[in-house]
Amino acid sequence: AQTVTQSQPEMSVQEAETVTLSCTYDTSENNYYLFWYKQPPSRQMILVIRQEAYKQQNATENRFSVNFQKAAKSFSLKISDSQLGDTAMYFCAFLGHFGNEKLTFGTGTRLTIIP
Amino acid sequence: EADIYQTPRYLVIGTGKKITLECSQTMGHDKMYWYQQDPGMELHLIHYSYGVNSTEKGDLSSESTVSRIRTEHFPLTLESARPSHTSQYLCASSESLGAGVGTGELFFGEGSRLTVL
Repeated sequence: AQTVTQSQPEMSVQEAETVTLSCTYDTSENNYYLFWYKQPPSRQMILVIRQEAYKQQNATENRFSVNFQKAAKSFSLKISDSQLGDTAMYFCAFLGHFGNEKLTFGTGTRLTIIP
Repeated sequence: EADIYQTPRYLVIGTGKKITLECSQTMGHDKMYWYQQDPGMELHLIHYSYGVNSTEKGDLSSESTVSRIRTEHFPLTLESARPSHTSQYLCASSESLGAGVGTGELFFGEGSRLTVL
């Protein structure tokens, strides 16, 4: 079974600074997908960024980028020029390419952007 | 915004009442899921469905039941609510990877926050 570990329960950073959220996972599969989801306070969970394991290039979405290290089974999220609207819970998630296609979520990191 | 809707958003009821949380999506997704989440905590999968007439229990045991009679509709029912059922319930849907167009992305509803007194 896959496991996803987020070792930082809470983080805070000053507005406009850069912050990196950590995520590690364990799997025996070679093809899979990794995700970062954002859950703002009392709002809908949305996808931040997605990475396919067979792609070596790290995914980027505007101020959000990942550092995907397949051999180390690490998938960190970097938020550049952080904004107050980035305050949220962030969940790392794993999806195997085969099998029952259920996402495995980490326990989340609560990120607070300080004005 | 994702086209997945949950009602009610908030519900306060007494112990022993039967409740149904509604979830509908207009994206034609085969896969639908129910997660239970205490505020600010991790998500626990309690039910999922791969299509009409398909339902499975998730990783966290739950006294709730689900049905999938139509592709777009995935309601969750508690026959007799108890204070231990107080939580937020999130519904989600996704396109199947096997369909060739799926990306694996889950689309979430806004959640139903249930309080049982």
